[in-house]
Amino acid sequence: GAVVSQHPSRVICKSGTSVKIECRSLDFQATTMFWYRQFPKKSLMLMATSNEGSKATYEQGVEKDKFLINHASLTLSTLTVTSAHPEDSSFYICSARGGQGAEQYFGPGTRLTVT
Amino acid sequence: AQSVAQPEDQVNVAEGNPLTVKCTYSVSGNPYLFWYVQYPNRGLQFLLKYITGDNLVKGSYGFEAEFNKSQTSFHLKKPSALVSDSALYFCAVRNNQGGKLIFGQGTELSVKP
Repeated sequence: GAVVSQHPSRVICKSGTSVKIECRSLDFQATTMFWYRQFPKKSLMLMATSNEGSKATYEQGVEKDKFLINHASLTLSTLTVTSAHPEDSSFYICSARGGQGAEQYFGPGTRLTVT
Repeated sequence: AQSVAQPEDQVNVAEGNPLTVKCTYSVSGNPYLFWYVQYPNRGLQFLLKYITGDNLVKGSYGFEAEFNKSQTSFHLKKPSALVSDSALYFCAVRNNQGGKLIFGQGTELSVKP
């Protein structure tokens, strides 16, 4: 299957700082990318959907000014957690899809710890 | 609205025994159904999917799932469990208009020797 990478795999940041997570589709063009948040042993919560070149669509309850998503190219999307707080600590997983009916592939996840 | 239910938080099975992880769904239109597995601190790995055709779908690592339209179920099965199958399993559904993938709450499978 297609490969989706995330960087970094783990990040520790101080409260009040911002951190950027990158998601790349390595061998296909991702017209749509998804960002999920996962709490320990819990389901994936969809945060937002982004289409290349347009603004992301955020799910209800997700602060768009806190979780900035950019999908500037067909192979790269970034999630920036601004002014991070300890409650933002979580496992963030991105996913990419090549077209409306195409398979959705998942990245390996990024463990964010805010101290 | 789409939804997926995995009624069991945890399933315990002895190695060598058959396993079943349950999933029921609700979606408008024809469903696209998926099973994923997640190992600790890892992303999701695709196991199998149902789009159309034969109701019994075979996937990776000896897993299979049966689509049952009347019961709106898509249970995951394996004839003989391995200790290495121990992981978190997610069922997911999407409608056939290419909508969002919606996940169930996950079932933790524990296979003991």
